[in-house]
Amino acid sequence: SQKIEQNSEALNIQEGKTATLTCNYTNYSPAYLQWYRQDPGRGPVFLLLIRENEKEKRKERLKVTFDTTLKQSLFHITASQPADSATYLCALDPRGGYNKLIFGAGTRLAVHP
Amino acid sequence: EAGVAQSPRYKIIEKRQSVAFWCNPISGHATLYWYQQILGQGPKLLIQFQNNGVVDDSQLPKDRFSAERLKGVDSTLKIQPAKLEDSAVYLCASRAGVQETQYFGPGTRLLVL
Repeated sequence: SQKIEQNSEALNIQEGKTATLTCNYTNYSPAYLQWYRQDPGRGPVFLLLIRENEKEKRKERLKVTFDTTLKQSLFHITASQPADSATYLCALDPRGGYNKLIFGAGTRLAVHP
Repeated sequence: EAGVAQSPRYKIIEKRQSVAFWCNPISGHATLYWYQQILGQGPKLLIQFQNNGVVDDSQLPKDRFSAERLKGVDSTLKIQPAKLEDSAVYLCASRAGVQETQYFGPGTRLLVL
């Protein structure tokens, strides 16, 4: 069956460290993979998109990698800050741009001062 | 630029009652989505509109859920009759065009008692 797995347990890290979140998937061949941030009581907010032919994408303190052989994406936040505390969702777009997104359950990140 | 607007923000009803949610997408966005997000899970697509036509409603429980997007702008999602398992946040999102980002509204939190 098709599955998207993100760490269900919260990730607790110290301010200034790098947070690394994992998204694994099975029985999908996504053309695109996206990462979203969701704060309590709010809708998801788009952060980064990476295509199947891209290995890595960066935006300010954020970095995403995409390994289609391992069927895994890693999301890194460097020099983390308490304001980065939120739930981070990965989403697959199987058709590349047609945006029928299939979301993982998300990983909650808590950055402690 | 104004974001996606949704109302009401919260709704409490008893099972077997009806409820309706409203969404106003970002101006000019042709594509509109309704998602259901159950606590602890990622958003699940219910229905996708392109202008006022349905593109995908494969995961919409059509025996009780209905949605419309008259004139290709605002949209309403209705549940009739509601069940306990419909308790969730209902998110609306819109997108300008193919390969563009989805923008989410704040959601409507529904509790069915």
